[in-house]
Amino acid sequence: DIQMTQSPSSLSASVGDRVTITCRASQSISSYLNWYQQKPGKAPKLLIYAASSLQSGVPSRFSGSGSGTDFTLTISSLQPEDFATYYCQQSYSTRPFTFGPGTKVDIK
Amino acid sequence: QVQLQESGPGLVKPSGTLSLTCAVSGGSISSSNWWSWVRQPPGKGLEWIGEIYHSGSTNYNPSLKSRVTISVDKSKNQFSLKLSSVTAADTAVYYCAREVVAATRNWFDPWGQGTLVTVSS
Repeated sequence: DIQMTQSPSSLSASVGDRVTITCRASQSISSYLNWYQQKPGKAPKLLIYAASSLQSGVPSRFSGSGSGTDFTLTISSLQPEDFATYYCQQSYSTRPFTFGPGTKVDIK
Repeated sequence: QVQLQESGPGLVKPSGTLSLTCAVSGGSISSSNWWSWVRQPPGKGLEWIGEIYHSGSTNYNPSLKSRVTISVDKSKNQFSLKLSSVTAADTAVYYCAREVVAATRNWFDPWGQGTLVTVSS
């Protein structure tokens, strides 16, 4: 299986801050990488697919980059509604799909 | 827009079989998408369980493969999950999700709201 790691596991930030979350794959996955946001008690919500494509309806302050083994999710200016846990997920050809352990973003 | 809704018992006895159904509305289960199950133990991360295509083709997570069956009912526009020989470790929120496939890339969108299944006697 392809293992996914994320850093940091949690972070505290203020409204307006620029936030960067990193995801690393145990082998090259090209751009087969997606990002999800999950709020407490809710289902995950797709933010970014194929490493850098913004899902329709998702605010432009969210962006994704990377290829191969190293990927980044950036929130350019953190808003109150962005406090949540963020997961990366690889969809490289060989199953199973795997998720990163998550990064919790909370209020400083 | 497509919506998914999970249903099934919230409590299953150890060694029993967990059975859940995901009803798809706002779109056809026979569209060019796969359909997946994902679970999340309380306070933990996400684990992909498996997927099905409307033709009946399936792929399962090897860690669960011996206990999992995913099936589709096109007449009811729904798909189902069965997990046998459950233990407390199978206690989790179970989500169903549409798996969009485009240019060989896959992603999950949308997701159902999730249903908590507790394994306990």
